[in-house]
Amino acid sequence: DGGITQSPKYLFRKEGQNVTLSCEQNLNHDAMYWYRQDPGQGLRLIYYSQIVNDFQKGDIAEGYSVSREKKESFPLTVTSAQKNPTAFYLCASSRHGNTEAFFGQGTRLTVV
Amino acid sequence: EDKVVQSPLSLVVHEGDTVTLNCSYEVTNFRSLLWYKQEKKAPTFLFMLTSSGIEKKSGRLSSILDKKELSSILNITATQTGDSAIYLCAVDKKGSNDYKLSFGAGTTVTVRA
Repeated sequence: DGGITQSPKYLFRKEGQNVTLSCEQNLNHDAMYWYRQDPGQGLRLIYYSQIVNDFQKGDIAEGYSVSREKKESFPLTVTSAQKNPTAFYLCASSRHGNTEAFFGQGTRLTVV
Repeated sequence: EDKVVQSPLSLVVHEGDTVTLNCSYEVTNFRSLLWYKQEKKAPTFLFMLTSSGIEKKSGRLSSILDKKELSSILNITATQTGDSAIYLCAVDKKGSNDYKLSFGAGTTVTVRA
């Protein structure tokens, strides 16, 4: 079935460690997005990519990095520079020029 | 700075009640407004609205956009426990080739049996 797969579902990180969240889609969508969701704050855009080998910072990119080497994949690295990384992370994709985004099931990251 | 404000933040109703959710926005170069339902993990798409005054319907859910008032409402009639979810409003802007959404904080709806 077509869709977006995020892994892992739950992730625990020690302070000072970098971690990478996976996002894969087989919808043949050009655009991919990473959002962070905190209670009471809705979804905030971290990074997005409209095409392979190109990506742009969103509203809260500090402490995060991404790559887009393949159309299907858009991994997000949460670096040690991110001061408050505990959150629910959602990956999404859409056809180029179509804002109807499809979401993955999310990864809940907890810093311990 | 773009703003998308949803109200109320949460509400509790009983099965069979009608619910009205509000979304107001302040964005430059508005293009479209989208509604999503988030039950547990992944938000799922409900409606995309681009033209003012045209209602979109899907079963017991309906939504309408008012560009003059810079707002939209989402109605749910004859609510069921399966309607319990966070309802998210998002706005898209035109003017660039970037297609990214600005989301509101969401409204948490709880439907009691």
